[in-house]
Amino acid sequence: EAEVAQSPRYKITEKSQAVAFWCDPISGHATLYWYRQILGQGPELLVQFQDESVVDDSQLPKDRFSAERLKGVDSTLKIQPAELGDSAMYLCASSPYGARENTEAFFGQGTRLTVV
Amino acid sequence: GEDVEQSLFLSVREGDSSVINCTYTDSSSTYLYWYKQEPGAGLQLLTYIFSNMDMKQDQRLTVLLNKKDKHLSLRIADTQTGDSAIYFCAEADSWGKLQFGAGTQVVVTP
Repeated sequence: EAEVAQSPRYKITEKSQAVAFWCDPISGHATLYWYRQILGQGPELLVQFQDESVVDDSQLPKDRFSAERLKGVDSTLKIQPAELGDSAMYLCASSPYGARENTEAFFGQGTRLTVV
Repeated sequence: GEDVEQSLFLSVREGDSSVINCTYTDSSSTYLYWYKQEPGAGLQLLTYIFSNMDMKQDQRLTVLLNKKDKHLSLRIADTQTGDSAIYFCAEADSWGKLQFGAGTQVVVTP
């Protein structure tokens, strides 16, 4: 069964360091999402791509976070410099549909980031 | 604060039915979703309902939607220990952005 792949599963980094997460969506899925889930809360959208274009990055802290999906397939989310408050689960999801359609999003296992 | 609200905790005995409730705010949402998250894992899509429906049944899962009250519920029949998890309600805006509730922790006791 096709899955959304994320790596690494776990990452520990010191504050002020750079960190990067990778996501490979299900093949053929046009829409890719990065969500951040703080412990005890629901996921919150950081950025949404439709193919290689950003559809929504209104909640992405652009002073330190960046995301790209250069060829409209896999994606990288970067944080530089990392802060203690960035400790969270970072979830990638993909959907076969475009925006304005059924958002049947499939999630990866996530990357658990701990900033020390 | 959250636009989607859920109760935080539900305890249920094995074999009983579980009902998880959710209220949402965006009346233009066309799809509403239920996701399940087990410890340390990503989210698993359980089911969704289109806004022009008021009920959807899928095996042990029944989703009820009251658009007038913006109320969504998920009923799990014959709850099993494997159903212990956090359940998230989510609504999608017109651009497909999912807005999640804080999640309901369901604990199934023998």
